[in-house]
Amino acid sequence: GAGVSQSPSNKVTEKGKDVELRCDPISGHTALYWYRQSLGQGLEFLIYFQGNSAPDKSGLPSDRFSAERTGGSVSTLTIQRTQQEDSAVYLCASSSGTGLYGYTFGSGTRLTVV
Amino acid sequence: GESVGLHLPTLSVQEGDNSIINCAYSNSASDYFIWYKQESGKGPQFIIDIRSNMDKRQGQRVTVLLNKTVKHLSLQIAATQPGDSAVYFCAENMAPNNQGGKLIFGQGTELSVKP
Repeated sequence: GAGVSQSPSNKVTEKGKDVELRCDPISGHTALYWYRQSLGQGLEFLIYFQGNSAPDKSGLPSDRFSAERTGGSVSTLTIQRTQQEDSAVYLCASSSGTGLYGYTFGSGTRLTVV
Repeated sequence: GESVGLHLPTLSVQEGDNSIINCAYSNSASDYFIWYKQESGKGPQFIIDIRSNMDKRQGQRVTVLLNKTVKHLSLQIAATQPGDSAVYFCAENMAPNNQGGKLIFGQGTELSVKP
């Protein structure tokens, strides 16, 4: 597509439930990134996929968080046993891999854990 | 750990004035810097970037200045307009030759433009 698409745009879930967030990057972009943004805060790096290389998972806050990227395109971020502190906007971005011109971000998924 | 931080969390300017948003970074190995604009309810939008071998780069109404000696980055917006009201983030990329790699973001500065 023309931009990075994320779904759902909003998600309300009960504490303890699992959630899946989806990111559809720009076609042809080899690099895909997940960030988390808490209210009024900056962007916190979570995970980075580049082509067929092993992902950089150094930003995942706990083992409840995982992500996969199938076929080098769509990515899913999964949060198991959600906690209230997981409430945030989860942003996905993609780039051509060279890093030039930065990333293109999606509009994010606003996750609220109640 | 390494971080990118901003001097001012909020900035209020009069329409038509110039705005300057500052950013300090701590990683001297960073090779590539980007400014993003984020409007409410939207993802960050690329504004302008600069590589470490440059000290100034100009775009349409925006200029980025890089001072590697003091590890300082600034974004200048000329003739600020109400549509410029947003949160502005600086970010750095430490990947060699800008080959992908994660961006480290600062906390953001909220720019408010008064009509």
